[in-house]
Amino acid sequence: GQQLNQSPQSMFIQEGEDVSMNCTSSSIFNTWLWYKQDPGEGPVLLIALYKAGELTSNGRLTAQFGITRKDSFLNISASIPSDVGIYFCAGQVGGNAGGTSYGKLTFGQGTILTVHP
Amino acid sequence: DGGITQSPKYLFRKEGQNVTLSCEQNLNHDAMYWYRQDPGQGLRLIYYSQIVNDFQKGDIAEGYSVSREKKESFPLTVTSAQKNPTAFYLCASSIVQLSNQPQHFGDGTRLSIL
Repeated sequence: GQQLNQSPQSMFIQEGEDVSMNCTSSSIFNTWLWYKQDPGEGPVLLIALYKAGELTSNGRLTAQFGITRKDSFLNISASIPSDVGIYFCAGQVGGNAGGTSYGKLTFGQGTILTVHP
Repeated sequence: DGGITQSPKYLFRKEGQNVTLSCEQNLNHDAMYWYRQDPGQGLRLIYYSQIVNDFQKGDIAEGYSVSREKKESFPLTVTSAQKNPTAFYLCASSIVQLSNQPQHFGDGTRLSIL
């Protein structure tokens, strides 16, 4: 089946630093999603990417859909303590409603971000 | 407010017991999903449903069962056949009519063995 490799597994940074993380896949996705999860809560959608080469920003967050459709990157600029959490990438194949793979997400293992004040 | 509600927040299961986790959404989404999350790992798909009265197995369906009698509700039963049920369970939903719509998650249920 499809696999996503997310790196790094964890990051320890100082407040104000920029952060980069990425996901690579063995196969093509039509959609890339980035989620953030706080402890004991469900993941919250940060950015959705729908087109190869697309670069999208959400405040201090910027994500890109790789041109090969097999990778995606998330950057966080000027990190703050509330950026702490686990960041997940997810790839979606899409397809036709009613198909067996429709809407299914494949998740990366997550990047644990710690920000020191 | 519109959203996905999972209950209970914490659940304890005795050996040999079946337990049911609740997931309700008022987003009018057609598709609903159940995931299992273990420490240090990504989310793994247990079951999903695109429409009422229909559901499909995900990657780790063994030891679990679901039903989809109403559009708003997608309960998950962890059966006694699931030998390692301790995990964080997440429910999600999405629009089906438009392809590639992102999934939105509830706040999870943490299941532990007594």
